[in-house]
Amino acid sequence: QQQVKQSPQSLIVQKGGISIINCAYENTAFDYFPWYQQFPGKGPALLIAIRPDVSEKKEGRFTISFNKSAKQFSLHIMDSQPGDSATYFCAPTRSLGRLYFGRGTQLTVWP
Amino acid sequence: DGGITQSPKYLFRKEGQNVTLSCEQNLNHDAMYWYRQDPGQGLRLIYYSQIVNDFQKGDIAEGYSVSREKKESFPLTVTSAQKNPTAFYLCASSLTGGAGTEAFFGQGTRLTVV
Repeated sequence: QQQVKQSPQSLIVQKGGISIINCAYENTAFDYFPWYQQFPGKGPALLIAIRPDVSEKKEGRFTISFNKSAKQFSLHIMDSQPGDSATYFCAPTRSLGRLYFGRGTQLTVWP
Repeated sequence: DGGITQSPKYLFRKEGQNVTLSCEQNLNHDAMYWYRQDPGQGLRLIYYSQIVNDFQKGDIAEGYSVSREKKESFPLTVTSAQKNPTAFYLCASSLTGGAGTEAFFGQGTRLTVV
């Protein structure tokens, strides 16, 4: 079963550009919509998350946009930096439910 | 410091052997998870547990076993029945109750079959 579809699989962005990663989900019971960031050889860590009662959340250069009717949410990285080069996962979830991870997006920001 | 600890960081196994990966958390989280990560495959769920003495199979449970005798611990055994065990294994934990919440990950164990 593919509850979560993430795109693109890989993304190359020039330094200072905008990186956009998308996540589409099936389960309308999801109530927590996070993005995780993973560096090589490390475990993922929460980057930013949103609840379904708001449509957008911004933390520094990172923004989540949430479209409940379309069952989609996206991550925008403004002014992308080489240090942002990592793999990003969306992982919508709900209370008492397992985590569902997207397949990941490998972001490369070149100077 | 609160967190989730996996050990060992690197593990080598001979074919036909069982090995056990350790995962301990001191975050007082009810839920714990095991994931396998292969290049280009994302994170695939092996087993998860929402409460002590109870666990459920994930998407790729064949060849693996777990136990949850204590809230803090969720060890994963990779058995000889697992045909291709070489991978990066990640353990995670999260709170349950109310809405969904953040998952905290360990630093992973890289298992290699030699």
